Amino acid sequence: ELKVEQNPLFLSMQEGKNYTIYCNYSTTSDRLYWYRQDPGKSLESLFVLLSNGAVKQEGRLMASLDTKARLSTLHITAAVHDLSATYFCAVEQYSGGSNYKLTFGKGTLLTVNP
Amino acid sequence: KAGVTQTPRYLIKTRGQQVTLSCSPISGHRSVSWYQQTPGQGLQFLFEYFSETQRNKGNFPGRFSGRQFSNSRSEMNVSTLELGDSALYLCASSKIRASYNEQFFGPGTRLTVL
Repeated sequence: ELKVEQNPLFLSMQEGKNYTIYCNYSTTSDRLYWYRQDPGKSLESLFVLLSNGAVKQEGRLMASLDTKARLSTLHITAAVHDLSATYFCAVEQYSGGSNYKLTFGKGTLLTVNP
Repeated sequence: KAGVTQTPRYLIKTRGQQVTLSCSPISGHRSVSWYQQTPGQGLQFLFEYFSETQRNKGNFPGRFSGRQFSNSRSEMNVSTLELGDSALYLCASSKIRASYNEQFFGPGTRLTVL
């Protein structure tokens, strides 16, 4: 059974600082997704990573995937308050045809303080 | 292109009642997944439907059930409601493809059980 572990689960950081959220998973996959959830809202897709070495950037967020290490990182550069949210990674297991399964991490609650 | 829609958005029920939640996926998406989200347990997978068939199921009691119609719309039902069923119920749809299967989430139905 695929296990997806995120750390830290809680992250409080100051505006202007950099930090990284880690997503480790237990079985081979080269399909990983990052989502953002604002309080009381639904999940919004941030990044789709589909190969070893994939890197995607959007504003102050950059996500990368290392399939050999079974690790994805979400790096936050010069954090601003608007980035405060819960971030989830999700790993896909695809077994051909229409068969797929997405397993989510527990999420990282990020709070950016002024 | 319209996103995933869920109805109703808010629902208040009493213990012992039953409830039906509805989800309309993005046009062309044939896979629909349901999740329960609570502050204590986080995001938990309920079940996934494709072509009117339940393919994957999470670890929930039989009081939780669902179905999918031929137009890919899906409903989930919770019978004999308990206080602990109070949660945000999220529906996500995906267009099944060999390359990747990103899930797109609806706004959720917030269920309160009194």
